[in-house]
Amino acid sequence: GEDVEQSLFLSVREGDSSVINCTYTDSSSTYLYWYKQEPGAGLQLLTYIFSNMDMKQDQRLTVLLNKKDKHLSLRIADTQTGDSAIYFCAERSSPANTGTASKLTFGTGTRLQVTL
Amino acid sequence: ETGVTQTPRHLVMGMTNKKSLKCEQHLGHNAMYWYKQSAKKPLELMFVYNFKEQTENNSVPSRFSPECPNSSHLFLHLHTLQPEDSALYLCASSHEQGPLHFGNGTRLTVT
Repeated sequence: GEDVEQSLFLSVREGDSSVINCTYTDSSSTYLYWYKQEPGAGLQLLTYIFSNMDMKQDQRLTVLLNKKDKHLSLRIADTQTGDSAIYFCAERSSPANTGTASKLTFGTGTRLQVTL
Repeated sequence: ETGVTQTPRHLVMGMTNKKSLKCEQHLGHNAMYWYKQSAKKPLELMFVYNFKEQTENNSVPSRFSPECPNSSHLFLHLHTLQPEDSALYLCASSHEQGPLHFGNGTRLTVT
């Protein structure tokens, strides 16, 4: 089955850039997502990229996709203490049929710790 | 305000109790999902409903029983749970093939 892997932990200093990496196995992935989870909350959609793109930028967030290596990264510029959270990568495979709901495969999440 | 509301936020129940988790979405989506989040494990998809019809049951034990009366509401009925069922239960919704929008979850503790 599909598999999504992330490193478990990343520590950065406030003001530095953070880069969170993700690898996936499903070559039929159509969309790839980044979600953020703060303590006591659900998953918040941060950004996503379609598989025919290799980069997407949204304010402080930059997503890079290397489809050949099945590697996705999320770069957070000027990391702030409010960015401390768990970040989940997820991929959506091409649906078997139209009219079906999304099926996402999630990684285990990367805990980002921002230090002063 | 996430657009997806889950109640209760916290629930403690004994193994012989019966309880229900509720999820409501105000986003006009047609698909709704239940996920289980346990410590140090990937999110586990439990059930998927699309236009009120169940389209996925991911080998979930029968002590978990979902109900979707309409596209805006989703329930998870619980009975005779085990301590290993303690987890964060997350509800999500989406347009058919769109990104998932999650609620804040119900933290369930089974004693």
